[in-house]
Amino acid sequence: SSELTQDPAVSVALGQTVRITCQGDSLRNYYASWYQQKPGQAPVLVIYGENNRPSGIPDRFSGSSSGNTASLTITGAQAEDEADYYCHSRDSSPNHHSVFGGGTKLTVL
Amino acid sequence: QVQLVQSGAEVKKPGASVKVSCRASGYSFTSHDISWVRQAPGQGLEWMGRISAYNGHTNYAQEFQGRVTMTTDTSTSTAFMELRSLRSDDTAVYFCTRDDSSGWYEFDYWGQGTLVTVSS
Repeated sequence: SSELTQDPAVSVALGQTVRITCQGDSLRNYYASWYQQKPGQAPVLVIYGENNRPSGIPDRFSGSSSGNTASLTITGAQAEDEADYYCHSRDSSPNHHSVFGGGTKLTVL
Repeated sequence: QVQLVQSGAEVKKPGASVKVSCRASGYSFTSHDISWVRQAPGQGLEWMGRISAYNGHTNYAQEFQGRVTMTTDTSTSTAFMELRSLRSDDTAVYFCTRDDSSGWYEFDYWGQGTLVTVSS
């Protein structure tokens, strides 16, 4: 299967911890990468590989994986974390295409 | 610093073609693939395909096979994406991304996006 499934919407109280999940068969073979997108902007990479953050991404963002599920955790969510979050991985086809999850809208209350 | 700068917005009629450019700077252009991703209004991200800037090898998503062509010009560090036989549902923002195909397969840098509007 080349699909990645995300919950459409998640909310979190300011300062609390939230986990956004992504499920798909390809995640048994490939790590997910995670992207934050705010309205009218290009996506920004926040987590890749086993649990790597690009320069400039706060350490409250972390990633993990188990079986066919990848997770993005925000520990101590801030108002500026309100955004859409997309997971991505290569799929298991011979051509190793890329696939995105449908996205999760995170609301910080 | 790494930058991907895309060409400006386009308005096209159904059946026409569009060619979007993406000029890279701040790194060795041939060391990374370029992927193209689009986003229809209010929708999620959709991967269209990738091209090796090293050897020009392409890999297109099934949905775009036969309608898309990705190319590069290494002399100007520019990638191009041409989409033909445009339909109204091709109206979207098109992004180029630097694709780390030899690492963790992440898209680490993105262009600013190019809005393509298909309307009669």
